[in-house]
Amino acid sequence: GQQLNQSPQSMFIQEGEDVSMNCTSSSIFNTWLWYKQDPGEGPVLLIALYKAGELTSNGRLTAQFGITRKDSFLNISASIPSDVGIYFCGGGSNYKLTFGKGTLLTVNP
Amino acid sequence: GAVVSQHPSWVICKSGTSVKIECRSLDFQATTMFWYRQFPKKSLMLMATSNEGSKATYEQGVEKDKFLINHASLTLSTLTVTSAHPEDSSFYICSAEVRSSYEQYFGPGTRLTVT
Repeated sequence: GQQLNQSPQSMFIQEGEDVSMNCTSSSIFNTWLWYKQDPGEGPVLLIALYKAGELTSNGRLTAQFGITRKDSFLNISASIPSDVGIYFCGGGSNYKLTFGKGTLLTVNP
Repeated sequence: GAVVSQHPSWVICKSGTSVKIECRSLDFQATTMFWYRQFPKKSLMLMATSNEGSKATYEQGVEKDKFLINHASLTLSTLTVTSAHPEDSSFYICSAEVRSSYEQYFGPGTRLTVT
């Protein structure tokens, strides 16, 4: 099946720093979505991307749909303590999403 | 908008019993819902795709007779774990898709513990 490689696996940063994470695949996807999951809760949709090359922002978050349709990145600027959580990328094709293994973000105040 | 609820949020049951988990889209109609299983510190593993009015499509390795899925209306899908065993203990999460857009909105999850 399709697989996504999400990196980094975890990050420890200081409050105020910028963060970047990405997902790559050997497969082409029609859609890229980014989610955040807090412990014991369901993932929350952050950004949805539908077009190769598309760059979309949601507040301090910016994500891009790679031009080859095989990758996507998520940037978080000026991180704050509530950014702590696990971030998942999801690649959409064949009517379903394939998820990366997640990036655990820790923000030190 | 796009709120999905799940009930119960947690359940403890004895081995051999069955447990039903409900997933509801509260403010939109969802032709397609999905059921995922998540192990601690792991990613989301798709179990099955639930389509309103038709049989669910199960992923390879998921026993359809053990994990019964019913999608009786455009706002409700249920997952029944039959004859539960301790190895079925996990975090089960449903999602509902908006307008065949790939955008999935997730419920808060159900923590199942089988003793």
